Amino acid sequence: DTGVSQDPRHKITKRGQNVTFRCDPISEHNRLYWYRQTLGQGPEFLTYFQNEAQLEKSRLLSDRFSAERPKGSFSTLEIQRTEQGDSAMYLCASSLAVQNSPLHFGNGTRLTVT
Amino acid sequence: AQSVTQPDIHITVSEGASLELRCNYSYGATPYLFWYVQSPGQGLQLLLKYFSGDTLVQGIKGFEAEFKRSQSSFNLRKPSVHWSDAAEYFCAVVPSGAGSYQLTFGKGTKLSVIP
Repeated sequence: DTGVSQDPRHKITKRGQNVTFRCDPISEHNRLYWYRQTLGQGPEFLTYFQNEAQLEKSRLLSDRFSAERPKGSFSTLEIQRTEQGDSAMYLCASSLAVQNSPLHFGNGTRLTVT
Repeated sequence: AQSVTQPDIHITVSEGASLELRCNYSYGATPYLFWYVQSPGQGLQLLLKYFSGDTLVQGIKGFEAEFKRSQSSFNLRKPSVHWSDAAEYFCAVVPSGAGSYQLTFGKGTKLSVIP
């Protein structure tokens, strides 16, 4: 068990640029989640996949955000035309598709939009 | 509206002292309950969880939590705090029987430990 891996750890970008983050879940986990955490707040749910299917999306996920999990393994989260308000820690988590299976979180990608 | 409240933003305790972090929830039915810990710049680590049964649950690192239905609370406790426990602690819930694990987190309590 190598844990949930996220890349990059840090990303600094200028407003208006596009960014993409990657998440590699624990290999046997078929559920994958994206959360966003801003300073002084708890993580907020963005979206969730079971295998390659995106099953839930939060209203926080504006049309500038898109997440994919094409082969049911790793996932990418893309933010287009970044805004300063997008600056946050983006956390990925994974779990088994079993009732009561806990989420395992990665260390996150910290995005700074200048 | 469904919500999770952690009333204490920041708590400071001396090493060796006992600790209690408060968590209250507002849901129509008893949700599943969790406590996570986050060290600076890191992701979240699960300390313990409650789904049903015994209302006192044991977790990792010597933590425990007690579910009190009458108070809609799930407070985290540790009898003797270590300097390495300094971190941010998050209470989280998900509606019981939900098809997904859309966790709702509180805003967190930052714990500082005085040597």
